[in-house]
Amino acid sequence: EIVMTQSPATLSVSPGERATLSCRASQSVSSNLAWYRQKPGQAPRLLIYGASTRATGIPARFSGGGSGTQFSLTISSLQSEDSAVYYCQQYNNWQYTFGQGTKLEIK
Amino acid sequence: EVQLVESGGGVVRPGGSLRLSCAASGFTYDDYGMAWVRQPPGKGLEWVSSINWDGSSIGYADSMKGRFTISRDDAKNSLYLQMKSLRVEDTALYYCARVGYDYGYYFDYWGQGTLVTVSS
Repeated sequence: EIVMTQSPATLSVSPGERATLSCRASQSVSSNLAWYRQKPGQAPRLLIYGASTRATGIPARFSGGGSGTQFSLTISSLQSEDSAVYYCQQYNNWQYTFGQGTKLEIK
Repeated sequence: EVQLVESGGGVVRPGGSLRLSCAASGFTYDDYGMAWVRQPPGKGLEWVSSINWDGSSIGYADSMKGRFTISRDDAKNSLYLQMKSLRVEDTALYYCARVGYDYGYYFDYWGQGTLVTVSS
């Protein structure tokens, strides 16, 4: 099983600044990496797929990067509505795994 | 508009069984793979099972193999999860999700979830 490790566990950033979240895979997943945002009491929402492609309706201030085992999600011009838990997810050989999540707090 | 509506959750004793359903609308259902993802209270997301567009390929997380069975009924635009030999640790909010494919596989639409509580 491929293990996904996200860091940091919690990130606190001021409005208007930029946040960078990291995700590491225990073995290469090529670009089969997606990012989700989950606000309290809501279902997850797809943000990024294919490591760097924004999903429908996701603004350009969300950007994804990386390949192989190291990935990042960068959110620029942070807004209060970005406060949420962010998960990465990989797919390999009919198995999916999620990272444990990064909680993003807006100061 | 894509909509996924789960049902069938509830309280069940350890060792019991439960069948979850997901009604899909707003897209051509038999063009897509579907999946179940769960989230224990206060914890992270865990993939449970997936089925491809025609039901010919199915995958399960290791801890669910032999206990859970995923299926689909394209005539009813529905997805199912039959769960048996339930354990306390199966307590979670179970989400139905559509599988998207483009530069990899991912879950592009999610339902609101149905809560399963396994307790004596």
